[in-house]
Amino acid sequence: GNSVTQMEGPVTLSEEAFLTINCTYTATGYPSLFWYVQYPGEGLQLLLKATKADDKGSNKGFEATYRKETTSFHLEKGSVQVSDSAVYFCALTNSGGYQKVTFGIGTKLQVIP
Amino acid sequence: GAVVSQHPSRVICKSGTSVKIECRSLDFQATTMFWYRQFPKKSLMLMATSNEGSKATYEQGVEKDKFLINHASLTLSTLTVTSAHPEDSSFYICSARDRIGRGENEQFFGPGTRLTVL
Repeated sequence: GNSVTQMEGPVTLSEEAFLTINCTYTATGYPSLFWYVQYPGEGLQLLLKATKADDKGSNKGFEATYRKETTSFHLEKGSVQVSDSAVYFCALTNSGGYQKVTFGIGTKLQVIP
Repeated sequence: GAVVSQHPSRVICKSGTSVKIECRSLDFQATTMFWYRQFPKKSLMLMATSNEGSKATYEQGVEKDKFLINHASLTLSTLTVTSAHPEDSSFYICSARDRIGRGENEQFFGPGTRLTVL
């Protein structure tokens, strides 16, 4: 079956530091890959996505590249802000009608001034 | 566009009572909606897939008689937690897929409902 593995955290960084959250996956076929963000007390928001190998998703300074050879989709940001403090979920869906989403465990990021 | 709402955002109820949570797609039609449960410091667990006009498909280990799902229209799905107990306290999140397929393989998530059972 499908699975997503990501570092559990928490990750604590100073403002303007470089961020990397690792994500690897196991899936059949050609999944679509996502990063979702959950701010305290809120639901999930799509941060970025990539639907095929070598695609790069980007949004709000975050980016992730779909690497099929290493089955990875690591999230990066060059300079984090306090407002980036949240929980980040890596996820995938298979193409096709069912589209069940498989989530990673989530990585809590805390950015301190 | 692609907004999903949930109501209520928070609910506190007594043990043994039933609670209904609504999930609405506000600006699109959703033939399929999904219900997730999120435990503290853990990921989202898919509970069931709700299909408009048909019975929901429950994931293994989820009691369908306890978590009743109804998808009466293309914009509304409801989750009813029957005879709630403190262990049902959790954050429940719904998601929906646009009927016309906007956003390849993407689901749009609601803001979640915090259920506390006393």
